[in-house]
Amino acid sequence: AQSVTQLDSQVPVFEEAPVELRCNYSSSVSVYLFWYVQYPNQGLQLLLKYLSGSTLVESINGFEAEFNKSQTSFHLRKPSVHISDTAEYFCAVTSFNAGGTSYGKLTFGQGTILTVHP
Amino acid sequence: KAGVTQTPRYLIKTRGQQVTLSCSPISGHRSVSWYQQTPGQGLQFLFEYFSETQRNKGNFPGRFSGRQFSNSRSEMNVSTLELGDSALYLCASSARPYEKLFFGSGTQLSVL
Repeated sequence: AQSVTQLDSQVPVFEEAPVELRCNYSSSVSVYLFWYVQYPNQGLQLLLKYLSGSTLVESINGFEAEFNKSQTSFHLRKPSVHISDTAEYFCAVTSFNAGGTSYGKLTFGQGTILTVHP
Repeated sequence: KAGVTQTPRYLIKTRGQQVTLSCSPISGHRSVSWYQQTPGQGLQFLFEYFSETQRNKGNFPGRFSGRQFSNSRSEMNVSTLELGDSALYLCASSARPYEKLFFGSGTQLSVL
């Protein structure tokens, strides 16, 4: 069984400050990792993903996450946040299912609400 | 290209009733997944369909069921509604394994 723990339920920061949203996972098999974001009154959107290759992955709006296999972590970071980054962020994991390929079965963390103050 | 469409947007039902939610995936996507989102439990996987076959199922009671049609549209049904079924039900579609899920805006179900 897999599980995801997002260590902070709420993270308040000031605009232009750096931020780190922490995510740890538990799995007995190789995993694929994702960060999804839910802006106020909008649906969930993929922010970035790690499938293989370089352990550092980046999004188009300045976020990055690093896959650390030894620490089973996939923390999300941004060096300077904007008001528009205010949203709820979800870390998610999936793995190759021995019973077959999975397209959409993700295990999500509880979410971290990032609030950026002016 | 139209996104994932879920109908209805809001539903109010009473305990004991049943409800059917609908999801139309992005054109060309053959996989549809369903999730339940609540403040207490977060996002929980319900089930996943691919080409009309259920591929995976989450840990929900048998009152929760679903199906997928030949045009990839999907429905989920909840019978004998309970207060605890009040939630936002999200549908997502995908084109390839382990790739990006495209989520709909959800159906907000309130059970009174």
